[in-house]
Amino acid sequence: EVQLLESGGGLVQPGGSLTLSCAASGFSFSVYAMSWVRQAPGKGLEWVSTVSSTGGSTYYADFVKGRFTISRDNSNNTLHLQMNSLRADDTAIYYCARGIVVVTPTASPGYWGQGTLVTVSS
Amino acid sequence: DIQMTQSPSSVSASVGDRVTITCRASQDISKWVGWFQQKPGKAPKLLIYAASSLQRGVPSRFSGSGSGTDFTLTISGLQPEDFATYYCQQANSFPITFGQGTRLEIK
Repeated sequence: EVQLLESGGGLVQPGGSLTLSCAASGFSFSVYAMSWVRQAPGKGLEWVSTVSSTGGSTYYADFVKGRFTISRDNSNNTLHLQMNSLRADDTAIYYCARGIVVVTPTASPGYWGQGTLVTVSS
Repeated sequence: DIQMTQSPSSVSASVGDRVTITCRASQDISKWVGWFQQKPGKAPKLLIYAASSLQRGVPSRFSGSGSGTDFTLTISGLQPEDFATYYCQQANSFPITFGQGTRLEIK
């Protein structure tokens, strides 16, 4: 069974930093692209970032480019999102997601974690 | 960026009804569309990928169609558990984009 378990969310002040992690199990982690998708309170879904299966390619939404860094550790089946210079409008539930097919970075997210809440507030 | 325009933003229907939700892409995205269902407090769930492929475990009353710029999600024979919010998503190129959502409510 595919399982994705996020951790690392919490309350942080504007301008602060936070690192999210996602522990994956139940599938061959190293052959799937992985993504972060967020959802602000009461709002829709917003793609944040994707990393290729090898970690060699990364993709970012414009609103996080230069502030967030996605990475993965294929030896430990873990995905990370380093978030710097956080703003109030980064407040959201952050979901870790796995593509529905192997390798393809743009593949629709077929499996999601339960999400971790990030609140940016003073 | 590819914009995904979803309609309607909300719809009311009864158990047993057939409901159609549409999504229009701002440029040709071939068949690269996914459809998601989300219930309050839960993570989204993939229903359909590549426009018409049913995700494993999803009931066959859900179906998807379309190509190019126009796509539809159809739910035939609504069940009580289908009342939720639905999103389309383009999977053709980065940045990945979602539609604004359709809230399906009980009439």
